[in-house]
Amino acid sequence: GQNIDQPTEMTATEGAIVQINCTYQTSGFNGLFWYQQHAGEAPTFLSYNVLDGLEEKGRFSSFLSRSKGYSYLLLKELQMKDSASYLCAVRDRTGGFKTIFGAGTRLFVKA
Amino acid sequence: DTEVTQTPKHLVMGMTNKKSLKCEQHMGHRAMYWYKQKAKKPPELMFVYSYEKLSINESVPSRFSPECPNSSLLNLHLHALQPEDSALYLCASSQEGRAAQETQYFGPGTRLLVL
Repeated sequence: GQNIDQPTEMTATEGAIVQINCTYQTSGFNGLFWYQQHAGEAPTFLSYNVLDGLEEKGRFSSFLSRSKGYSYLLLKELQMKDSASYLCAVRDRTGGFKTIFGAGTRLFVKA
Repeated sequence: DTEVTQTPKHLVMGMTNKKSLKCEQHMGHRAMYWYKQKAKKPPELMFVYSYEKLSINESVPSRFSPECPNSSLLNLHLHALQPEDSALYLCASSQEGRAAQETQYFGPGTRLLVL
């Protein structure tokens, strides 16, 4: 089966750095995505990792360790607009390449 | 154009009504998805179409009936829904549905309320 764990909520200060962790268990790992979702809106794609290591994209970076079943999303220079839910999603090739979403981490950025 | 559009944005229906949700993309994607999302929960996969054929049905009740008339359109027909079906229904598309790095692009969703 599949299991994705991430913290329910986090709070950070504007201008700071925050790291959102995600651990997963899946039988047919085929890539990991991070999505941002503001309340009442659709998820928007942030990053994709399939090989071990760090992928950097502006203020956002994502890291993957396949042997540990672990990823994190790093947000730098936090802005108020970064307050949102961050969804870790794992692509699983078993059963037809499904993307399974974690419950999401609600990030609150305070002034 | 990286846009997925969905109509309507909001829908209120009674348990005896029949309604349809519509989704459209013009990115040339050949895989389209329906997800259901309850408040403060992750999106849950309902259906996947790949090359206009239903490839995944996540044991969704028959009161939800998907349809893919062509590669750009995806419908979800609703009939005899229950109040617990009230949720945000998200449509997404990706290039093919089979390759590893397949980013899914989501539409804005239809917020459904069943009375």
